[in-house]
Amino acid sequence: GAGVSQSPRYKVAKRGQDVALRCDPISGHVSLFWYQQALGQGPEFLTYFQNEAQLDKSGLPSDRFFAERPEGSVSTLKIQRTQQEDSAVYLCASSFEGANQPQHFGDGTRLSIL
Amino acid sequence: GENVEQHPSTLSVQEGDSAVIKCTYSDSASNYFPWYKQELGKGPQLIIDIRSNVGEKKDQRIAVTLNKTAKHFSLHITETQPEDSAVYFCAAVNDYKLSFGAGTTVTVRA
Repeated sequence: GAGVSQSPRYKVAKRGQDVALRCDPISGHVSLFWYQQALGQGPEFLTYFQNEAQLDKSGLPSDRFFAERPEGSVSTLKIQRTQQEDSAVYLCASSFEGANQPQHFGDGTRLSIL
Repeated sequence: GENVEQHPSTLSVQEGDSAVIKCTYSDSASNYFPWYKQELGKGPQLIIDIRSNVGEKKDQRIAVTLNKTAKHFSLHITETQPEDSAVYFCAAVNDYKLSFGAGTTVTVRA
């Protein structure tokens, strides 16, 4: 299929380690989004890219979180010095350019910090 | 920012009956309202959406209604089937940022 692909599906790390999560958006989708979903809750917005430009990073919880999309396609969400409260499912979504476009989600990366 | 409230948090229905989920939003600038279905271990799947210039939209067994004056929108599922069992999320959008409700766990009893 040609959906949003995320890897790894599961990641276990020790507190203090750095992690990198990858997102491959749908081909042709200019906009890319990262969301964080805690257990039993709805996803929360983290950051938004249009092509390679990061237009909104207001949802990133701290300066330990960093996202990039250097060539306007694949994106990486990096978390430095992980803490237990970072445990969550990290979801990536993509859409066509423009306001109010349907966003299509990947299956997420479940991150567990021990 | 936008605040979306969703009710009920859980819903159990007999197969063949209807299910209704209701959401309210706070930001009058929101003008796009998608609904997502999320199954265990999967990402949210877009099932239907409605824009602010439309009051109602239907797609087979699912329909959405929107009341912009009351800042209220609803999802209706008719003739429920076991495969409709999942968590459903409403969301409100102004431009690009999705603000989700807390979700409704729907269980369809056979």
